[in-house]
Amino acid sequence: GESVGLHLPTLSVQEGDNSIINCAYSNSASDYFIWYKQESGKGPQFIIDIRSNMDKRQGQRVTVLLNKTVKHLSLQIAATQPGDSAVYFCAENNPTGGFKTIFGAGTRLFVKA
Amino acid sequence: DAGVTQSPTHLIKTRGQQVTLRCSPKSGHDTVSWYQQALGQGPQFIFQYYEEEERQRGNFPDRFSGHQFPNYSSELNVNALLLGDSALYLCASSVGQYNSPLHFGNGTRLTVT
Repeated sequence: GESVGLHLPTLSVQEGDNSIINCAYSNSASDYFIWYKQESGKGPQFIIDIRSNMDKRQGQRVTVLLNKTVKHLSLQIAATQPGDSAVYFCAENNPTGGFKTIFGAGTRLFVKA
Repeated sequence: DAGVTQSPTHLIKTRGQQVTLRCSPKSGHDTVSWYQQALGQGPQFIFQYYEEEERQRGNFPDRFSGHQFPNYSSELNVNALLLGDSALYLCASSVGQYNSPLHFGNGTRLTVT
C-alpha cells in the first residue's frame, strides 16, 4: 500500500551534534523523495530532495541518503542548531500513484542547548 | 517574490456549514495541491489542480471540492462540515511537471464546533 513511515516519532540531540532522521518507504516504484521541515504554526518547508538514480545528495548542513535495496531514506543534519527544532517529514512520489506527494507521519527533533 | 499565500489563517465554523479556503501560488507555479493535516500527523493529499482542472484526487468525499482560476489561484470548498473536518488545510504550489518539490503556505486552521 501507500505509506511513508518513520522509525522514531521523536529525536532529542545536543546542540552542535549531528542528527540523523530515518524514514522507511514501502513502494519500490517511488522515484523521487523529499524532506520537509515544519515549524510550529507554519507550513512544511522544502529542505532537500533526491531522485532514485542517486544514493546521496548534499545541501547546506544537510545530506540525504537513499538506500533503494532496503527502501530506506535518511536525513543527516550537521552541527544541529536550536533553529533546527521542528517536525521533519519524508515524502515520496511514485509514478504509479500519479502526481501526488505522499507524506509520512513525521519525526519531532528537539535540540538541547 | 511572494511565496504561497493562504486565507484566512483561522476559521471557526459550525457543523453542517460550508467553508471556502483560498490560495495564491508562488510566482511562476502553475499547479496547486491541497492537503489536510490533522494534529500530530503528516499532510494527507486532498486533490491537485493543473490547467484549471482537477488532475488527481485523494481519498476524500465529494463534500470536498475545488477550483483553479486562470491566474493559477485556487479555492478549496468543504460542504456539510463535520467535527472531523477540523484540521490545518495546506495549499502547496509547484511547477507542472512531475517530480518537482511542493512549496507550502502556512495553512488555514479550520475548527468545526
